[in-house]
Amino acid sequence: DAGITQSPRHKVTETGTPVTLRCHQTENHRYMYWYRQDPGHGLRLIHYSYGVKDTDKGEVSDGYSVSRSKTEDFLLTLESATSSQTSVYFCAIRAGTSPLYGYTFGSGTRLTVV
Amino acid sequence: KNQVEQSPQSLIILEGKNCTLQCNYTVSPFSNLRWYKQDTGRGPVSLTIMTFSENTKSNGRYTATLDADTKQSSLHITASQLSDSASYICVVSMDSNYQLIWGAGTKLIIKP
Repeated sequence: DAGITQSPRHKVTETGTPVTLRCHQTENHRYMYWYRQDPGHGLRLIHYSYGVKDTDKGEVSDGYSVSRSKTEDFLLTLESATSSQTSVYFCAIRAGTSPLYGYTFGSGTRLTVV
Repeated sequence: KNQVEQSPQSLIILEGKNCTLQCNYTVSPFSNLRWYKQDTGRGPVSLTIMTFSENTKSNGRYTATLDADTKQSSLHITASQLSDSASYICVVSMDSNYQLIWGAGTKLIIKP
């Protein structure tokens, strides 16, 4: 998707190992979000950022941490991956919080924890 | 509890036919409602957004309606094309904190 890239696109990892997913944007948007998507569920917010070094928890933040040292990069880390964290992870960016600002999503990272 | 429920879960129609997808929500306070299209292996892409005062909005062959009194929305697709095969997700934003409440989506398959 234009202006936002996620890496890697696919990853298989073992239980107990740390994993870092990267989201990179070229839009200079202030707000960045990490979601996970699981079958039968709507997207669920993990963490979000409202500026460099400014982050906050979402509804399913346990087991995850984030960092944002630059405007363009938002990293999601699974400190010790578990099978319940097998999911598709989406990053999104947004210019502002006005309700009419749209969200732009990346293409996702499919993570499998074995 | 703030929830968004979509129906049907999945739908198969023939190319060229019309269809309507439903979204019921119990989110309060309501700010706006969005419909997204998500192709397989891709992130969601916005189709429409409607605020409390809007009851219909179109985007090409897609027309969304909103009834804020009954807390229902629908997405009507006209003259379906094979490229319309995707999941369609209804998302409601809360007025108090801009939190998004996502529906689980309707998977639409268009057959030639």
